Parts: sequence; structure tokens; C-alpha cells
Amino acid sequence: GQNIDQPTEMTATEGAIVQINCTYQTSGFNGLFWYQQHAGEAPTFLSYNVLDGLEEKGRFSSFLSRSKGYSYLLLKELQMKDSASYLCAVNLLYSGAGSYQLTFGKGTKLSVIP
Amino acid sequence: SAVISQKPSRDICQRGTSLTIQCQVDSQVTMMFWYRQQPGQSLTLIATANQGSEATYESGFVIDKFPISRPNLTFSTLTVSNMSPEDSSIYLCSVVVTGGNYEQYFGPGTRLTVT
Repeated sequence: GQNIDQPTEMTATEGAIVQINCTYQTSGFNGLFWYQQHAGEAPTFLSYNVLDGLEEKGRFSSFLSRSKGYSYLLLKELQMKDSASYLCAVNLLYSGAGSYQLTFGKGTKLSVIP
Repeated sequence: SAVISQKPSRDICQRGTSLTIQCQVDSQVTMMFWYRQQPGQSLTLIATANQGSEATYESGFVIDKFPISRPNLTFSTLTVSNMSPEDSSIYLCSVVVTGGNYEQYFGPGTRLTVT
């Protein structure tokens, strides 16, 4: 089976930096995604890593190490609106209907406090 | 990017009935997916509904229970058949836009409660 692990909850202070880790053991790998999901809303795309290294996009950065089966999402200058669930998802190599299938972790609920 | 709308946004249904959820996308997309998200849980893929082929269902989901239509590149429906309280969940439509990188977008979801 597929296994994607993330911490269940994290708390951080406004203005600080927080790192959300994700480890995966999957039957295939064709990229890793991070999504943000506010309560009661649909997930929104944050980042996509397919090669090792760091991808930076504004206050958010995502890192991938394929050899270690590891990724993290780094959020800088935290704002109250960053309070949300952050979902790690792996694109499995899928030879069925198409070349794309996401398997999601259970998500990390981040609470930003003043 | 892609903007996705779903109808209905929420519904309360009786056990044994069926509900059809509609998904409309503002651009033509090949890859479309239906997910389920139960309260406090992450997303579980129900099926892949690429235009021009039969829907492909994931383990634990069958066509008789979750029939899907994909008549064109901007529209799909998911029917939840013979509902039971265990089907109470949020159902999300999702598409992939492949201009360069894969970017996956989600609809707002349909919140279904079965009584």
C-alpha cells in the first residue's frame, strides 16, 4: 500500500517560521504536491516538486529529497490567515487511465497564534 | 488555472435514494477526478474520469455505487446511488491542467448528509 506521513497538528506564532514535514513510501513517484485547505473549503494548490531541491514561491517554499522519501513545506512570516490544513500528496506512476494519480496524506492542521 | 463549480453545494438525502453531483469547468481539460473527504480526514480518490474513456475506479469504489458520466471536456457528473449514512461526506471534483507542470485544481465540494 501507499504510506504518506505528516504530523497531525502544529502550532506556531504569528511572524515566525514553521516547517511541515512529509515522508512517503509509495509504489511509484512522479512528483510531490502541497495543498492548503481552509476549514470548509476546497484544497488550493501551493507547490509541486519533481526534482530534488528547494522551490521557493513567496513566503512558501517546498523541499524534496527523492532518495530519502522526504519533503517539507516551509512557511515564513506566518500570518493568522495561514491557519489551515496542509496536505502532502504524491503523484504515483500510474499506467492505468492516465499518467497521473494523487495519493494524499492525512494533512497537518496548522494553528497560527498571536 | 481552472475554475470549477459544483452543484449542489450541499444536500440532505434519505437513505436508499440517489444524488447526482454536477461538475463544470471553465476550460477544456482531459483529466478529471472525483474525490471524497470524510469529516476530519484527507482526500480519497474515488475515480478518474478522463474524457473519451470509461471511468477508472479505485479500490473500494464500484461503478454501480458511483456511476460517472463525462460527456465532454468541461463537464462531469458523479452519482451516489442507494445512499446510506456512511456515504455522508464531501465530494470534490478535481481537474489537472498540464501547461508545463501538473497543477491540480479542486471544486468547492458538495457536502452530502444521508439520514
